[in-house]
Parts: sequence; structure tokens; C-alpha cells
Amino acid sequence: QQQVKQSPQSLIVQKGGISIINCAYENTAFDYFPWYQQFPGKGPALLIAIRPDVSEKKEGRFTISFNKSAKQFSLHIMDSQPGDSATYFCAVSYGQNFVFGPGTRLSVLP
Amino acid sequence: GAGVSQSPSNKVTEKGKDVELRCDPISGHTALYWYRQSLGQGLEFLIYFQGNSAPDKSGLPSDRFSAERTGGSVSTLTIQRTQQEDSAVYLCASRFPGLPYNEQFFGPGTRLTVL
Repeated sequence: QQQVKQSPQSLIVQKGGISIINCAYENTAFDYFPWYQQFPGKGPALLIAIRPDVSEKKEGRFTISFNKSAKQFSLHIMDSQPGDSATYFCAVSYGQNFVFGPGTRLSVLP
Repeated sequence: GAGVSQSPSNKVTEKGKDVELRCDPISGHTALYWYRQSLGQGLEFLIYFQGNSAPDKSGLPSDRFSAERTGGSVSTLTIQRTQQEDSAVYLCASRFPGLPYNEQFFGPGTRLTVL
């Protein structure tokens, strides 16, 4: 099965700091790279997504950086806030197929 | 409008019993997915429905698992003869595949505990 590697498994950041989560994939056929945010007891919700024809996408404090040649992409959360504390999943998609990373548990300390 | 809903939110059952989990997708979303999320783990794909096409069952872990989708809307995931390793959160997601790069919308999940 296609695999998506995600790191770190957990992350602790001070309020105001930058949180960085990395993902790597294998299959170059993937053409959609979303990040999902999940709070305890809730389903994942789309946070931000990127297509492979751009190298960076920014939405507010959240930025995806995409390196097509390295088959890697990362999520940067600027000015991290305690309310950002959640589990973050990267995913890769082609057509109807979605493969999710194992998740990163982010804790932002006040 | 209403999002994806799932019921029950929690289900506790005894080993060997059958359970049914329900998913109501967003109206008009013809694609529906079931995933399993074990404690602290990522999302494991189980099954995918798209309109009237034959479902993609490639992720079902055993023949104890089955799912159906009636009328292209509501879906039911059935687990027969439950085992303790079936304990997990079962997530449903729907999607409108008519456009490229469409996101999945997830329900809140059903937490299944098998004693």
C-alpha cells in the first residue's frame, strides 16, 4: 500500500513559536496534498491544501511548502496559539484515492 | 447546511456481537468513505462508494466487515462477531467528486469499544 511518512509524531511549541510538520510520499501520481486538523472527539477538518504546480501556499498563519522533486511537503504554523493544539494529518490524493499520514500531535504551551 | 452526521457517537458492545454504524453524508455528495482510526493512529481506509458504481472494498480488514449505501445517500458499516481489536473510532467522510482537488468532509465519528 502507498505510504505517507509524517514527522514528528508529537511536537511541543511555546505560544508565538513556529510549528513545523513534515510529510514525505512515494508515488509521483499524487496531485493533491491536503492537511487536516483534528480536535479531540471531532472528525478531521481540512486546514489547507496545495496542488503540485505551486511550491508554497499561505492562508493566514498556515503555510504549506511543497518540494515536488523531493516528494516532500510541510506545514508551517506561524505565531502558534494554544488553540492550535490538535492532531494534524497530512494526506496525498489522486482521483478518489486518499492516503493519510499517521498524524502529529501538536501542543502549544501558553 | 448540515455536515456529515454519524450515529451512534459511542457504542460499547461485547465481543462476538454484531454492530451497525450509520453515516449520513452531505446532501449531493456522491462519494462516501469509511475510515478507521485506532487510538493515536492515522486514518485507515476501509471502503469507498461513488454513486451507483461498485464500491472499492480494498481496505476492509476481514470478511466480518461490510458496508452498504442505500439510495446513494445513507451508508451503514456492519461489523459481525466483533473482536477487541475492532475497538477504534470509525469515521465517515463525503465528497463531491465533480470538481478536481475536492476535499473530504468528515463526520464526528463513532467510537466503538468492544469489551
